[in-house]
Amino acid sequence: AQSVTQLGSHVSVSEGALVLLRCNYSSSVPPYLFWYVQYPNQGLQLLLKYTTGATLVKGINGFEAEFKKSETSFHLTKPSAHMSDAAEYFCAVSQGIQGAQKLVFGQGTRLTINP
Amino acid sequence: NAGVTQTPKFRVLKTGQSMTLLCAQDMNHEYMYWYRQDPGMGLRLIHYSVGEGTTAKGEVPDGYNVSRLKKQNFLLGLESAAPSQTSVYFCASRRGQSSTDTQYFGPGTRLTVL
Repeated sequence: AQSVTQLGSHVSVSEGALVLLRCNYSSSVPPYLFWYVQYPNQGLQLLLKYTTGATLVKGINGFEAEFKKSETSFHLTKPSAHMSDAAEYFCAVSQGIQGAQKLVFGQGTRLTINP
Repeated sequence: NAGVTQTPKFRVLKTGQSMTLLCAQDMNHEYMYWYRQDPGMGLRLIHYSVGEGTTAKGEVPDGYNVSRLKKQNFLLGLESAAPSQTSVYFCASRRGQSSTDTQYFGPGTRLTVL
């Protein structure tokens, strides 16, 4: 069975500081990995995804993530935090070859940006 | 192009009552999904559909039924609501032409069962 662990349910950084949100996964088959963002009272929006190929993936709003198979990790980073980045972030995994794309989500990390 | 819409946005039920949540998408997507979101647990898949007339169970299907009579609509039913079904429910859809297609989420329905 697949699973996702996000280290830290709450992360707080200062505006302009590095954002690092951690995600580790377990999967018995090559995974597809996703990061979604949820702003207050809204649905989820895709930030970026890894399927195959380049392990460093760039997404929207200046975020990027690196797939590290040896560490079973897919951490999300942004060099300089902006106040608008305050939201909840979810890491998710699906079996790469599975057509139905049944996502398994982590528990989420709430990001707070301090002025 | 409204994307994925959900009706209603909020609902309060008493234990034992029934209700249906409606998800509609105008993107001609093949796949549709229902998730529930609970604090500290992320989102969990309830049921999904790979096309009109098909449904399948997800991770937490008990207490829910679904139907996909029209391609653009995916209904989630609670026949006898329980307090454990208090949650925020999200619908999602995706094109389905590739296993890497993005899932697009609706704004959610907040359900409280008293």
